[in-house]
Amino acid sequence: SQTIHQWPATLVQPVGSPLSLECTVEGTSNPNLYWYRQAAGRGLQLLFYSVGIGQISSEVPQNLSASRPQDRQFILSSKKLLLSDSGFYLCAWSRRQGLNTEAFFGQGTRLTVV
Amino acid sequence: DAKTTQPTSMDCAEGRAANLPCNHSTISGNEYVYWYRQIHSQGPQYIIHGLKNNETNEMASLIITEDRKSSTLILPHATLRDTAVYYCIVSPRNNDMRFGAGTRLTVKP
Repeated sequence: SQTIHQWPATLVQPVGSPLSLECTVEGTSNPNLYWYRQAAGRGLQLLFYSVGIGQISSEVPQNLSASRPQDRQFILSSKKLLLSDSGFYLCAWSRRQGLNTEAFFGQGTRLTVV
Repeated sequence: DAKTTQPTSMDCAEGRAANLPCNHSTISGNEYVYWYRQIHSQGPQYIIHGLKNNETNEMASLIITEDRKSSTLILPHATLRDTAVYYCIVSPRNNDMRFGAGTRLTVKP
């Protein structure tokens, strides 16, 4: 069966510090991968999605970046965090082949920038 | 991109059917309708999806109008644990899943 791992679950970081959130998927190959952010009380905002190694599409301009060094690994990074980067970050995957299939989400990382 | 419109919030009595509407008037022919829900502080959970036929699974039913411009998610017997934010999205091939604000469903005893 397929599983998605996202860590850490919670994180408190000072303004200006770097960030690295990691997401890995097991039990499948060539997945589509996604990073979302959810501000408190708000909906999900798509930040990045990837259809393959090294292929990243960015949805909104920001001081965050994403990388996909391996097929089932998706990393969200920042060189210098801002207060506005606080939020609930979610990684998700879906199958690439075939017709439409559902997406599976990780449990999320709650980031607080102080 | 097709966009969706959902009511901000809805209430439902426990044991009754919850009917959550979604408008997607600009949906194109190859786009599916997906429903997810998010319980507080958790990742979204897939519920159901469809193209043009009505669909049913163990969680819910999805009714899509003939012109595909709107759909309704039906939870046949809502329980307190169904309290969540429900998202309706349209997507061609899951390469581009954009969530709106969703509908906050509150199931009341």
